[in-house]
Amino acid sequence: KAGVTQTPRYLIKTRGQQVTLSCSPISGHRSVSWYQQTPGQGLQFLFEYFSETQRNKGNFPGRFSGRQFSNSRSEMNVSTLELGDSALYLCASSPRGANQPQHFGDGTRLSIL
Amino acid sequence: DQQVKQNSPSLSVQEGRISILNCDYTNSMFDYFLWYKKYPAEGPTFLISISSIKDKNEDGRFTVFLNKSAKHLSLHIVPSQPGDSAVYFCAATSNDYKLSFGAGTTVTVRA
Repeated sequence: KAGVTQTPRYLIKTRGQQVTLSCSPISGHRSVSWYQQTPGQGLQFLFEYFSETQRNKGNFPGRFSGRQFSNSRSEMNVSTLELGDSALYLCASSPRGANQPQHFGDGTRLSIL
Repeated sequence: DQQVKQNSPSLSVQEGRISILNCDYTNSMFDYFLWYKKYPAEGPTFLISISSIKDKNEDGRFTVFLNKSAKHLSLHIVPSQPGDSAVYFCAATSNDYKLSFGAGTTVTVRA
C-alpha cells in the first residue's frame, strides 16, 4: 500500500512569492491534515480536510490556505511568502480524522530567501 | 499557546536501559493522546496511543502512562535499542479533528 506522498520534496522561493504544495493521501483515507514544523516549535497544526470540507484550522494567517479534491488529494497554498515561512511542511492522512493515528508524508522543505 | 509541552529537549540513555519521556498538557478537554517517532528526513510515524479512559497502554517495548489529574503522560521504552534513537513527539486531541503536538524530545541510545 503506497504511503502518503508529498511533492515537491524541496522548494526555494523568495519573499513575496506564493507557493503550492501537494499531498496524495493513502488510498481510502478521506482525512488530510497539514502541519508546519520549525526548530524548537514541534508540529503546528494548519488545517484538516475531510471529504473536501475544512473541519478545523490552526492559528495561522489567511495567507495559508488549502483545499481538498474529490479524490482526497490536497493542496496547500501560501501567498506573499515571508522569511518566517521557511519550514518543513508535513501532510498526514487517516481514514476518518485527525483524532486518530495518522500516516505522515516525508514533508516538503520550503526555504525562503 | 503551547497546550502540549515536552520540557526535556533531549535524553541520552545506554542501550538496554529504560528511556522515560515526559509530556504535560494544559487543556483538560484532551481525551486522546499519541506518541510519534521521527527519524531525520522522514515524516513522523505513529508509535502508541492512549484514551483518557485508561491510565496505561502497552505495546511490546513501549508503554504509555496517563495521569489525568496531573495532566501528565509518559512513554517508557524498555529495553532501549540503538534504532530507538529519534525525535519523539507527544500529541493530544479533543475530538475536534485538530492535533496539538509538543516540541519533541531527541533520544540518543548509546551502545
